[in-house]
Amino acid sequence: KNEVEQSPQNLTAQEGEFITINCSYSVGISALHWLQQHPGGGIVSLFMLSSGKKKHGRLIATINIQEKHSSLHITASHPRDSAVYICAVNSGGGADGLTFGKGTHLIIQP
Amino acid sequence: DTGVSQDPRHKITKRGQNVTFRCDPISEHNRLYWYRQTLGQGPEFLTYFQNEAQLEKSRLLSDRFSAERPKGSFSTLEIQRTEQGDSAMYLCASSLFRLEYNEQFFGPGTRLTVL
Repeated sequence: KNEVEQSPQNLTAQEGEFITINCSYSVGISALHWLQQHPGGGIVSLFMLSSGKKKHGRLIATINIQEKHSSLHITASHPRDSAVYICAVNSGGGADGLTFGKGTHLIIQP
Repeated sequence: DTGVSQDPRHKITKRGQNVTFRCDPISEHNRLYWYRQTLGQGPEFLTYFQNEAQLEKSRLLSDRFSAERPKGSFSTLEIQRTEQGDSAMYLCASSLFRLEYNEQFFGPGTRLTVL
């Protein structure tokens, strides 16, 4: 069973700061997902990646398969970025359900 | 159809009652997933379907839980004889499965409170 660990669990920063959230997993994967969850429960998929780096607007996700580690970066953070960010992995091999980390609760103060 | 929908959004029930939730996936999606999320935790996988076939079930899915996707479109999740520990957000997701790419799209969730 894949274990997914995220750090930090909670992060409070000032508007404009560069944010990094880390995710590590224990077993090889077919894909890693970064998800955003706002109060009330709705989850939005930000990235799905299996290698390298992806960028969308102010968000950047990287993954190092050898080290079993991924990072999510937010540049020029804004209060509307405040949310819970969740890392999840597909372990592959026919098991398609995602295994999730506990999430990082991010608060960006104006 | 702009996304995954779930009904109801909130459900309050008394211990021992049965509840049923519905999920309508994005129309062309062949895979449908159910997850459960308790307060302060990440979601946990419960089960998934490819078309009408239930391909995988987590050990979290006790015999009080049953899920169906009878026509390969919408799905229902039923919990019998609810317990207070069943209180959680129940999330549904769907995807158009391809070997090289399988992004899941999530619904808004159904929040269950068992009194």
